[in-house]
Amino acid sequence: GEDVEQSLFLSVREGDSSVINCTYTDSSSTYLYWYKQEPGAGLQLLTYIFSNMDMKQDQRLTVLLNKKDKHLSLRIADTQTGDSAIYFCAEYGMRFGAGTRLTVKP
Amino acid sequence: DSGVTQTPKHLITATGQRVTLRCSPRSGDLSVYWYQQSLDQGLQFLIQYYNGEERAKGNILERFSAQQFPDLHSELNLSSLELGDSALYFCASSANSGNTIYFGEGSWLTVV
Repeated sequence: GEDVEQSLFLSVREGDSSVINCTYTDSSSTYLYWYKQEPGAGLQLLTYIFSNMDMKQDQRLTVLLNKKDKHLSLRIADTQTGDSAIYFCAEYGMRFGAGTRLTVKP
Repeated sequence: DSGVTQTPKHLITATGQRVTLRCSPRSGDLSVYWYQQSLDQGLQFLIQYYNGEERAKGNILERFSAQQFPDLHSELNLSSLELGDSALYFCASSANSGNTIYFGEGSWLTVV
């Protein structure tokens, strides 16, 4: 089957950069997404990237896409305690990773 | 606020019962998606409707069904409920089948 894989946990110090990685398997995916889920809340769309792009920057967020390796990453610059949440990588709307729990320590 | 509205927010029901979850998509969105999020299964895509027609089917059980009405709102019907159906059920919508998907806040279902 086709899976989207992410590491489950990441812990960083406030002010550091966070990098969350994801691998996917469907080379035909045209959209790749990053969602954020805070405790007890729904999924908030953070950013997305088209498959014909290598990089997308949106304020503190940078998405890198390596189509050859089917690797997607989300970098959060100057990570804050409010960034603590679960981050999901998704291929369009059908396949989601298990989520990476980001913990930001003061 | 994503613009996707789900009701009810919380629901507790007994095994064997049937419930209906309701979703209003963002204004103008034609496509509606349903997902189940549980601790053991993660986030699972259930089904997608586009302008009233079923477009894609994921890991939806036969005891579950959905529909999208002419006004584009959607309902997810869960029947013969089991304890393992306890989960957070999300609805999402997009303008068309290939556009960005926006999620609602979810409906918490507890089966006791």
